Amino acid sequence: GENVEQHPSTLSVQEGDSAVIKCTYSDSASNYFPWYKQELGKRPQLIIDIRSNVGEKKDQRIAVTLNKTAKHFSLHITETQPEDSAVYFCAASKPRGSQGNLIFGKGTKLSVKP
Amino acid sequence: KAGVTQTPRYLIKTRGQQVTLSCSPISGHRSVSWYQQTPGQGLQFLFEYFSETQRNKGNFPGRFSGRQFSNSRSEMNVSTLELGDSALYLCASSWNGGNSETQYFGPGTRLLVL
Repeated sequence: GENVEQHPSTLSVQEGDSAVIKCTYSDSASNYFPWYKQELGKRPQLIIDIRSNVGEKKDQRIAVTLNKTAKHFSLHITETQPEDSAVYFCAASKPRGSQGNLIFGKGTKLSVKP
Repeated sequence: KAGVTQTPRYLIKTRGQQVTLSCSPISGHRSVSWYQQTPGQGLQFLFEYFSETQRNKGNFPGRFSGRQFSNSRSEMNVSTLELGDSALYLCASSWNGGNSETQYFGPGTRLLVL
């Protein structure tokens, strides 16, 4: 089955710096890759997603890139702010037999220091 | 629209007991997925329900079961509780459960097994 690995597990940056989180997946059939942000004690919330027919997607300070050949995708956060501090999860999903089934990475705890 | 809701929010049980958790999806959403979140294993897919049918199942023992009602509300049941079942149980809803549909998470039920 699909396996998603996420690195690093913890990341500490200064406010204003950029943060990059990387994920690799094992199943080449996976074609949907969402990123979720989970603040302490709160529910995971989708922040951005990308489909396999797109190489890059941006939404203000957040961007995601996808390399299908290498089977990895990355989350880029620019101009980080203290409110970006949270745990970020990447996930992957396949088009067949995968309804409602997201395979998640183990998460990255991002700390943004003022 | 109201978001995904889960009840109860917190639960304490003892080994051997059983527990039932409830999830109400966003109005109009017909797919409900369940995930177990633990510090060690991260977010793991349990099962997905659509139109009162289990469509997909993760790699969990048969002690974990679920069902969905005609109004799309879903319940999951864990029988013969073990200490290792202590976790945050999250449900997520989406329109049809298609692989590239956004899944919206509920706040979770935190289960502690003593």
